Amino acid sequence: EAGVVQSPRYKIIEKKQPVAFWCNPISGHNTLYWYLQNLGQGPELLIRYENEEAVDDSQLPKDRFSAERLKGVDSTLKIQPAELGDSAVYLCASSLEGTGPGEQFFGPGTRLTVL
Amino acid sequence: DAKTTQPTSMDCAEGRAANLPCNHSTISGNEYVYWYRQIHSQGPQYIIHGLKNNETNEMASLIITEDRKSSTLILPHATLRDTAVYYCIVRPSWGKLQFGAGTQVVVTP
Repeated sequence: EAGVVQSPRYKIIEKKQPVAFWCNPISGHNTLYWYLQNLGQGPELLIRYENEEAVDDSQLPKDRFSAERLKGVDSTLKIQPAELGDSAVYLCASSLEGTGPGEQFFGPGTRLTVL
Repeated sequence: DAKTTQPTSMDCAEGRAANLPCNHSTISGNEYVYWYRQIHSQGPQYIIHGLKNNETNEMASLIITEDRKSSTLILPHATLRDTAVYYCIVRPSWGKLQFGAGTQVVVTP
């Protein structure tokens, strides 16, 4: 079974440029998460989708960050414009909620460097 | 704020059992104890979870105290590939995962 796929794995951009990350969750998983992980810290939730609906986006900086999950499958996270402080690893995870305590499966992440 | 307290780091000898403690004194009755680990340059990986009873799977054992205020993750025979950051998390069955800083475990030959 294929795991959570993310691309690109690495991205280097200059500040004020836009950037987008893509995530393909495990087939059949209805819930998708985007996390931000700064160096030396644990991941922090940015947004959670149940199917196509964003049910928790309270930690998403909406002035520059946006996300979408079309057709309840793949998802894209965008930053526009990027700032130096956005340098971090962006993790995508998916789970099948509704059958018991959910186990989240994580992708390898996208490491963003903003110069 | 993370609801768990873990040591910052631990060393373990290869082949020996690794016992990772976690304090969660404010855990609620409907909250589970989850353990994840993160190997360098990879995403977090689920290990095990439990509510009240001790649990065991192919990766580890989870021992939860009777008052549920603390738990221990046991890796029975640590290998070099177990070197990782281990996160102890408490959450309701449908709630989001709130990661703390975790415990950096280094397994040495």
